[in-house]
Amino acid sequence: QVQLQESGPGLVKPSQTLSLTCTVSGDSISSGGYYWSWIRQHPGKGLEWIGYMFYNGITYYNPSLKSRVIISVDTSKNQFSLRLSSVSAADTAVYYCARVVQRDGPFDYWGQGTLVIVSS
Amino acid sequence: QSVLTQPPSVSGAPGQRVTISCTGSSSDIGAGYDVHWYQQLPGTAPKLLIYGNSHRPSGVPDRFSGSKSGTSASLAITGLQADDEADYYCQSYDSSLINSLFGGGTKLTVL
Repeated sequence: QVQLQESGPGLVKPSQTLSLTCTVSGDSISSGGYYWSWIRQHPGKGLEWIGYMFYNGITYYNPSLKSRVIISVDTSKNQFSLRLSSVSAADTAVYYCARVVQRDGPFDYWGQGTLVIVSS
Repeated sequence: QSVLTQPPSVSGAPGQRVTISCTGSSSDIGAGYDVHWYQQLPGTAPKLLIYGNSHRPSGVPDRFSGSKSGTSASLAITGLQADDEADYYCQSYDSSLINSLFGGGTKLTVL
């Protein structure tokens, strides 16, 4: 059974960088065949795709966030990470990591989500 | 702002049938990309409900069905049950933006 688990600070100060890690179990990121993604949900709002990454490091980002986002992988730890720079209150959201078979495919496995609040 | 348009809310009585629409454009659904549907119960992560327009993952009841035509797609739920009360999201892909898209979500209320 594939499982994903987000981890990272729940509180980030404005203008700083939000950093989250997703630990994958039950599947190997380096085996290829999947894209590994970050998605967020603002409080009481809908889902927003942030970006995804293939195991070899190729990344695709939401154009609206592209200038501030970096998704990276650590295959030795079977983890992938999100870094979002210059955060503001508008980045307060629940952040999910998820697996997708192909770029236009469904997100078949999700983490439970982690709430990140941006506040001083 | 979501590029895929869903009604904010729908409702139905137990046992009834409801449908949720998802309208896109010629660069996403209309370009031939598949539509996928998710169910999000309160306080939980979204769960894949329908993939590839009309396919159900293992464990999803056949009360849930999906279809796609032109630039739109629909999710139908028959035999409504109280625990179907949730938010439902459609998802597709935009070839011009090279990214995944979600609809704004539809809140289903079981009366």
